[in-house]
Amino acid sequence: DAKTTQPTSMDCAEGRAANLPCNHSTISGNEYVYWYRQIHSQGPQYIIHGLKNNETNEMASLIITEDRKSSTLILPHATLRDTAVYYCIVRPSSTGTASKLTFGTGTRLQVTL
Amino acid sequence: DAGVIQSPRHEVTEMGQEVTLRCKPISGHDYLFWYRQTMMRGLELLIYFNNNVPIDDSGMPEDRFSAKMPNASFSTLKIQPSEPRDSAVYFCASSLADYGYTFGSGTRLTVV
Repeated sequence: DAKTTQPTSMDCAEGRAANLPCNHSTISGNEYVYWYRQIHSQGPQYIIHGLKNNETNEMASLIITEDRKSSTLILPHATLRDTAVYYCIVRPSSTGTASKLTFGTGTRLQVTL
Repeated sequence: DAGVIQSPRHEVTEMGQEVTLRCKPISGHDYLFWYRQTMMRGLELLIYFNNNVPIDDSGMPEDRFSAKMPNASFSTLKIQPSEPRDSAVYFCASSLADYGYTFGSGTRLTVV
């Protein structure tokens, strides 16, 4: 699986957009970018994933660069409840099967008043 | 849906004792994963199953660890004998093919 690089920590003011970057310069053509987050003492939570097009759901937006070597997770209006460790993961995806998720160290996002 | 259910939430045991962690995946999910999380090593995949069959157990640390999935609605992770270095939070997750994983709340294991 391609390796990802994320900043160790970030701060964001409540109500502002949180933009979390991820570098994955060795990503292969069949590999997807997944984002998960882990709020303190809870299990990781799936946020969003994408291949090459930008994606949006009720939680966040995922922007993937045209060369696919980096991506940004955007939380449009961060709240204190978004304080968590955010993991960017790259893994292949095959129809009808699942492959294991390998978690790195992630970015610790602190949302402040 | 109640989500992925793990039990117990907390377990404190003495070194040398057998420990059994339990997991009930989401109904209809065909994959089940066991992870371990420690401060030093982060989240590590121990083993995963597809349709109740173990697919990859390369993350199981040693023979003291074993996992079973007797049916689609139940899995166990057993440590025998337990050691203090096994202290960690153990997470179970399930998924339907390549859709996002759903994790349980975890079992915090302390071996004294």
